[in-house]
Amino acid sequence: DGGITQSPKYLFRKEGQNVTLSCEQNLNHDAMYWYRQDPGQGLRLIYYSQIVNDFQKGDIAEGYSVSREKKESFPLTVTSAQKNPTAFYLCASSRQGKQYFGPGTRLTVT
Amino acid sequence: QKEVEQNSGPLSVPEGAIASLNCTYSDRGSQSFFWYRQYSGKSPELIMSIYSNGDKEDGRFTAQLNKASQYVSLLIRDSQPSDSATYLCAVTEMTGNQFYFGTGTSLTVIP
Repeated sequence: DGGITQSPKYLFRKEGQNVTLSCEQNLNHDAMYWYRQDPGQGLRLIYYSQIVNDFQKGDIAEGYSVSREKKESFPLTVTSAQKNPTAFYLCASSRQGKQYFGPGTRLTVT
Repeated sequence: QKEVEQNSGPLSVPEGAIASLNCTYSDRGSQSFFWYRQYSGKSPELIMSIYSNGDKEDGRFTAQLNKASQYVSLLIRDSQPSDSATYLCAVTEMTGNQFYFGTGTSLTVIP
């Protein structure tokens, strides 16, 4: 069964804690992306990676970090430096110019 | 800053009618254009892609692109209540590495 998986679906953390969101794909896609979606807003790009061991900052990278050690995996860490981390986080991958999304992780920080 | 603009709606149409969703983009070098459907609480799902001027049809969906006017639209014929969702417009820039999304148009199809 091919696709993009994100875990967990819901995540709750206390303010000041770092948290890592998982994203795995078995589509053999080269590029992977992390977006954040807030109510009433579009998707905002956090980081993207075109190849293993390389990644680029998006529009709102501050307070986030990523790694790309394997083609299949692109985890996102939300650090305590992120001022407003509560949001819906979407991972995506693309091949041949088309982008597909995982189911998302809804993060709540209190 | 590359911008993609959509009317946020909400857009309401009766069942069986044609729903028309519009999108404009600021970067004249944009290469590829996409429409995604997003149900409440779910992730976006790719429903249409278009790359050249004109119309592209897929079932009840038709995407229209006019690069001179920097305008892309999505028509949904014979609208069904299951089409009720937010529709996101997305474009890529010259390299195709980054995708830029509009804020989405909320569509409600009234039975």
